[in-house]
Amino acid sequence: GGIITQTPKFLIGQEGQKLTLKCQQNFNHDTMYWYRQDSGKGLRLIYYSITENDLQKGDLSEGYDASREKKSSFSLTVTSAQKNEMAVFLCASSNQNTLYFGAGTRLSVL
Amino acid sequence: GDSVTQTEGLVTLTKGLPVMLNCTYQTTYSPFLFWYVQHLNEAPKLLLKSSTDNKRTEHQGFYATLHKSSSSFHLQKSSVQLSDSALYFCAFVSGSWQLIFGSGTQLTVMP
Repeated sequence: GGIITQTPKFLIGQEGQKLTLKCQQNFNHDTMYWYRQDSGKGLRLIYYSITENDLQKGDLSEGYDASREKKSSFSLTVTSAQKNEMAVFLCASSNQNTLYFGAGTRLSVL
Repeated sequence: GDSVTQTEGLVTLTKGLPVMLNCTYQTTYSPFLFWYVQHLNEAPKLLLKSSTDNKRTEHQGFYATLHKSSSSFHLQKSSVQLSDSALYFCAFVSGSWQLIFGSGTQLTVMP
């Protein structure tokens, strides 16, 4: 089996700050994803990548950048944190349509 | 456009009772449906998946049948346990190969 590791587990930022979330997978999967989870709104896709150096925008990409420098890692940048923002960011990788998720990064903006 | 709907936000049941969590979808493509379960402070995990019409799929006591005629993939269990308390997401693969999630149903099982 494999594992998806997200760092940090908790992230506290200030309004306007640029924040980076990291994700590593050892499944050797080609496709990786970043989702945002808000209470009562399910999981919304921010970015995904089908191979190294590829980036595809999801429905929620505005305000975010992503980077897939190598197959095993996929990072997400919040370009300007919004005051009082609270959400969980979930990274995932996939094999034949089945997603495997990391435990998430919990973001709070003061 | 492609969408998936879960009508119940919260479901509370007593242990031992049956449960059905609703999921309907809308797509112009051939559907591939999933149920994911997320326990508190854990990552979502795949529970069930199906792309075959009218065939029941089962895992860990949960079951669901994809009905293309009604665009539904409801999740059921005949007798819920305390450990089934979790957030359940229905999802499907869209035409652009993205996995689209519903808003989730929080199931709470009481003693």
